[in-house]
Amino acid sequence: EAGVAQSPRYKIIEKRQSVAFWCNPISGHATLYWYQQILGQGPKLLIQFQNNGVVDDSQLPKDRFSAERLKGVDSTLKIQPAKLEDSAVYLCASSLIRVSEAFFGQGTRLTVV
Amino acid sequence: RKEVEQDPGPFNVPEGATVAFNCTYSNSASQSFFWYRQDCRKEPKLLMSVYSSGNEDGRFTAQLNRASQYISLLIRDSKLSDSATYLCVVNNDMRFGAGTRLTVKP
Repeated sequence: EAGVAQSPRYKIIEKRQSVAFWCNPISGHATLYWYQQILGQGPKLLIQFQNNGVVDDSQLPKDRFSAERLKGVDSTLKIQPAKLEDSAVYLCASSLIRVSEAFFGQGTRLTVV
Repeated sequence: RKEVEQDPGPFNVPEGATVAFNCTYSNSASQSFFWYRQDCRKEPKLLMSVYSSGNEDGRFTAQLNRASQYISLLIRDSKLSDSATYLCVVNNDMRFGAGTRLTVKP
């Protein structure tokens, strides 16, 4: 079974630039999560989708971050404009239903310079 | 109080030792509990779910204490390969603790 796919794996941008990350969850998984993990910290939930609807985006910095999940499958996370403190690994995960275990992609390592 | 709090660590133990981590949670209505393992520069991977009655998988035992609102992970006979960061996840909203770093030394 294919896992969660993310791209790109690495991205380096200058502050104030824009960046987008893409995630393809495991087939059939209704729930999709985006996390931000800063070095030395646990993953911080940014947004949770159930199919194509947002369940929880309380920790998403909406002034610069946006996410969508078109047709309830793939998802994109965008940062515009980026700040130095956005440097982190952005992890996408999916689960069959909300209460079941989540499976993670390899993440996108973002460096903002 | 944070939603999910873990022992800060780091834990440095010799091979063969028994080590235990705790994770406290604030939402008494929490229903789902998991332990994940994360190796350096890798994504988190599910180690085990935590069931109300407690569960065991080889050298690993997970327990839930609803009265005191914490879950625990016990690792017996530690191996060098157990060195990693252990993350707890509580509730349906999949919020992680900060993680506890374990280093098993020869």
